[in-house]
Amino acid sequence: EPEVTQTPSHQVTQMGQEVILRCVPISNHLYFYWYRQILGQKVEFLVSFYNNEISEKSEIFDDQFSVERPDGSNFTLKIRSTKLEDSAMYFCASRGAGVGTGELFFGEGSRLTVL
Amino acid sequence: KNQVEQSPQSLIILEGKNCTLQCNYTVSPFSNLRWYKQDTGRGPVSLTIMTFSENTKSNGRYTATLDADTKQSSLHITASQLSDSASYICVVSHMDTGRRALTFGSGTRLQVQP
Repeated sequence: EPEVTQTPSHQVTQMGQEVILRCVPISNHLYFYWYRQILGQKVEFLVSFYNNEISEKSEIFDDQFSVERPDGSNFTLKIRSTKLEDSAMYFCASRGAGVGTGELFFGEGSRLTVL
Repeated sequence: KNQVEQSPQSLIILEGKNCTLQCNYTVSPFSNLRWYKQDTGRGPVSLTIMTFSENTKSNGRYTATLDADTKQSSLHITASQLSDSASYICVVSHMDTGRRALTFGSGTRLQVQP
């Protein structure tokens, strides 16, 4: 069964360092998303990406964040200078074509710990 | 303000028992409602997606209901198993300033005990 894969599963970094989280969405999907979930809290939307550009972003997704689809398979989230409050589980998700009820498939997440 | 409220916040039941989780939403205009199961430390996995015209949808031992008039949904789990222990998240899809958006509930943490 096709799945969304994310790497690394866990990353520990020092405050101020750059972090890149990687995702391989399901191959025929066209819409890509990043979400984050701080421990014990609800899942929060960060950004959506379609047709090689950001289609929507939340207020969390400030200038420290960027996304890229460098090739036909990878979708990355970069945090330029990490802060303690960036510690969270980051989920990548993808969805197939169609604006309607397309199911959203989540990856297993990348846990980021900022020290 | 677009909101999704879930209750109870947490629930403990014995293996084999049934339970019902509630979701109330205030988002508008409504597009669809999804229930996800999230095991601890894992990504959410879709259980059901319901559109405006659907009242009930089942997926194995999971049955979701939707009342679009009262803006309420429920997820009923029948004959619970230990593996049902997880957080169950209600997510509502809606239009926001012309774009499709998802609003997540905080989830109900279910613990099934032997």
